[in-house]
Amino acid sequence: DTGVSQDPRHKITKRGQNVTFRCDPISEHNRLYWYRQTLGQGPEFLTYFQNEAQLEKSRLLSDRFSAERPKGSFSTLEIQRTEQGDSAMYLCASSRSSATNEKLFFGSGTQLSVL
Amino acid sequence: QKEVEQDPGPLSVPEGAIVSLNCTYSNSAFQYFMWYRQYSRKGPELLMYTYSSGNKEDGRFTAQVDKSSKYISSFIRDSQPSDSATYLCAMRDNYGQNFVFGPGTRLSVLP
Repeated sequence: DTGVSQDPRHKITKRGQNVTFRCDPISEHNRLYWYRQTLGQGPEFLTYFQNEAQLEKSRLLSDRFSAERPKGSFSTLEIQRTEQGDSAMYLCASSRSSATNEKLFFGSGTQLSVL
Repeated sequence: QKEVEQDPGPLSVPEGAIVSLNCTYSNSAFQYFMWYRQYSRKGPELLMYTYSSGNKEDGRFTAQVDKSSKYISSFIRDSQPSDSATYLCAMRDNYGQNFVFGPGTRLSVLP
């Protein structure tokens, strides 16, 4: 399978705990995006990387959220001191270039439930 | 007002019907438009993309962009039960890297 891979698929945690998600993009893709999606809503942009550089973060991204992409390969998204409002599907997407026909390929997401 | 608006549905049609999906947007700088399909508990899957105005056809899917009205639409011909999913529109301008998504329309195609 050469698609975008996300791990874990599901995560249940208690309020106040830290969680970390991993995304493995399609191997030749240099861009990697993180989105968050809640029920009945479209994906909401969180942040993106070009190679290992984090180039943009959403103003909605609180200081409790941090993302890394060491060596421009896989990426991790960490949420510290989780809150119930963090419950959502966290989607990772990757793409090959910044051309006008850039196409995002999504993984299946990590469903986070904060109790 | 949200940047991208989309009727959430649910939209129920009989098998074989033509399905019409649409989005309106407020940012006149958007140039690049996409349609995604999302099955339950899965990530979105790209169906079609168009750049600027015009029509594009791919098999049973057609996408149209009317930039003067800030309106995009998609049509699914000969709809099948396997088309039952949520359909998301997404768009971007030439300068930003952020793809903005609509809330999605839930479609059910009944056999």
